[in-house]
Amino acid sequence: DVKVTQSSRYLVKRTGEKVFLECVQDMDHENMFWYRQDPGLGLRLIYFSYDVKMKEKGDIPEGYSVSREKKERFSLILESASTNQTSMYLCASSFRGGQYFGPGTRLLVL
Amino acid sequence: KNEVEQSPQNLTAQEGEFITINCSYSVGISALHWLQQHPGGGIVSLFMLSSGKKKHGRLIATINIQEKHSSLHITASHPRDSAVYICAVLWGTSYGKLTFGQGTILTVHP
Repeated sequence: DVKVTQSSRYLVKRTGEKVFLECVQDMDHENMFWYRQDPGLGLRLIYFSYDVKMKEKGDIPEGYSVSREKKERFSLILESASTNQTSMYLCASSFRGGQYFGPGTRLLVL
Repeated sequence: KNEVEQSPQNLTAQEGEFITINCSYSVGISALHWLQQHPGGGIVSLFMLSSGKKKHGRLIATINIQEKHSSLHITASHPRDSAVYICAVLWGTSYGKLTFGQGTILTVHP
């Protein structure tokens, strides 16, 4: 069965902290995505990766970076967390159009 | 701009009612997903469509490529169907990137 896991379900951080969100998929998919989900704004793409060490900006990359050193792992980095990055973060992987989402990380930045 | 419009935004029904959620998109697509998200839960892809109709249990999804429109139907609705339903489209060769509708919040009362 397909599985996408995220390192934390809930996370509380302070403004200015560096935050790492990790996502792992066990399906050998090449494409992986980070989204954030906010009430009234829906799901928005932050970054995606189509291969190891390959990445492209999505619609809202400002304040974020990503890392993909291994095929199964895609990390989202908040270099200096700010309160407006409080959100639900969802990772997904894709193969032939099929989409598989992780459970989400609800991040609160104080 | 490639857009996805979903309606209604909110839907309340009584148990047993037939439910329809609509999705329209602006340009040609390679496939369309209907996604489900229960409160506090992750996102699951219910259907991926590129033409015609698909059925799974009480859920039916249809797509009309010429009219750029898709519908999700729920027959004999049940309180456990209460969730957010999201339409999302794949445009051409997009590495599996999705563009999302705003979502429909469905509440089914017993």
